Amino acid sequence: QVQLVESGGGVVQPGKYLRLSCAASGFTFSNYAMHWVRQAPGEGLEWVAVISYDGRHRYYAGSAEGRFTISRDDSKNTLYLQMNVLRTNDTAAYYCARGAVVVDGSPHWHGLDVWGQGTTVTVSS
Amino acid sequence: EVVMTQSPATLSVSPGERATLSCRASQSVNTNVAWYQQKPGQAPRLLIYGASTRATHIPARFSGTGSGTEFTLSIISLQSEDFAVYYCQQYNDWLRTFGQGTKVEIK
Repeated sequence: QVQLVESGGGVVQPGKYLRLSCAASGFTFSNYAMHWVRQAPGEGLEWVAVISYDGRHRYYAGSAEGRFTISRDDSKNTLYLQMNVLRTNDTAAYYCARGAVVVDGSPHWHGLDVWGQGTTVTVSS
Repeated sequence: EVVMTQSPATLSVSPGERATLSCRASQSVNTNVAWYQQKPGQAPRLLIYGASTRATHIPARFSGTGSGTEFTLSIISLQSEDFAVYYCQQYNDWLRTFGQGTKVEIK
């Protein structure tokens, strides 16, 4: 079945780094843009970053710009989020989600229709 | 960045009644809005995209309307499983911003 499974979360000190992974299965990963969304404890959803289906385009929320890098390895059906210089306010559950599908070279957006279960990142000294 | 503002923050509704949730964009996003439902301890679930198209397996009691800057999610005849937090999201801009959420609680 269609599935996304995140991993790589944990407890890390401020200023350190962490890399999250998201393993995709049950669909043609290389046809989809992929997103990261996070949720701080007791707070709402915050969109973090997106990578296009071909990896050529990447966009970030202001809170992630310059510190986080989204990437993908289509040979492994895996999405990544490299997070550097972590801050205490980066503490959150991080979700990967499936975005637009490319059909005949054009992206078609149907919402973030598949989500992982999330991985928790805690930044604390 | 497009700012999405949801209202009210909390909506108290009795089972069987109708709930109407609002979402306003800081600039026109055409019909490029999605709605999600999230229950405690769970990942969000897509309800609506394109402002009014129900996602796969979403019951017909959920409906979305709007265009430009004003959007509405309606839930008719609320069921017990519908009490949750609802988020709107715009995708007119590459920075796919969410609203802050509306909690629908049992009255």
